[in-house]
Amino acid sequence: EPEVTQTPSHQVTQMGQEVILRCVPISNHLYFYWYRQILGQKVEFLVSFYNNEISEKSEIFDDQFSVERPDGSNFTLKIRSTKLEDSAMYFCASRTDTPGYTFGSGTRLTVV
Amino acid sequence: AQKVTQAQTEISVVEKEDVTLDCVYETRDTTYYLFWYKQPPSGELVFLIRRNSFDEQNEISGRYSWNFQKSTSSFNFTITASQVVDSAVYFCALATSGTYKYIFGTGTRLKVLA
Repeated sequence: EPEVTQTPSHQVTQMGQEVILRCVPISNHLYFYWYRQILGQKVEFLVSFYNNEISEKSEIFDDQFSVERPDGSNFTLKIRSTKLEDSAMYFCASRTDTPGYTFGSGTRLTVV
Repeated sequence: AQKVTQAQTEISVVEKEDVTLDCVYETRDTTYYLFWYKQPPSGELVFLIRRNSFDEQNEISGRYSWNFQKSTSSFNFTITASQVVDSAVYFCALATSGTYKYIFGTGTRLKVLA
């Protein structure tokens, strides 16, 4: 079964550093998402992306965050200057026209 | 406003007991989708079921069953004859038209004791 692949599975970074989380969505999917889950809390929507532009973003997704689909296969989430509170599990997801995603297995980001 | 409420924070049962996880949602949209996901200790989100707002048929899949009632805005999940491997956090989620972003509930941690 096709999978959404996220790399790395775990990343440790120093506060203030830039970090890029990478995702390879399923090849025929058109809609892409990033979600965040702070440890022990619920999963929260960050951003949706379609046709090479952001279609919706949450209040969490401030100027420190950006997304990009640089080469037609990868979908990246960049955090420009990480803060301690950015420590979380980040999930990428993709879908076709029908609602219902395939989630990646997540990247655990630890900011120290 | 759209909202998903999972009032049960944590449930503990003994193996082979049946357990029901509650989910109540709020939306003004007439077209929406409801989902259940399982999050085992390894952290990934495992898809269990999707239901659209026009299909109120209950569904059974092995030991799992789902009861969707629009009249009470509920989409409850029952595990029959629970097993230790069912121990996980279970999330209910709502998606409405537009970008179909998910609104997740806060999750219910299920502990199945041997």
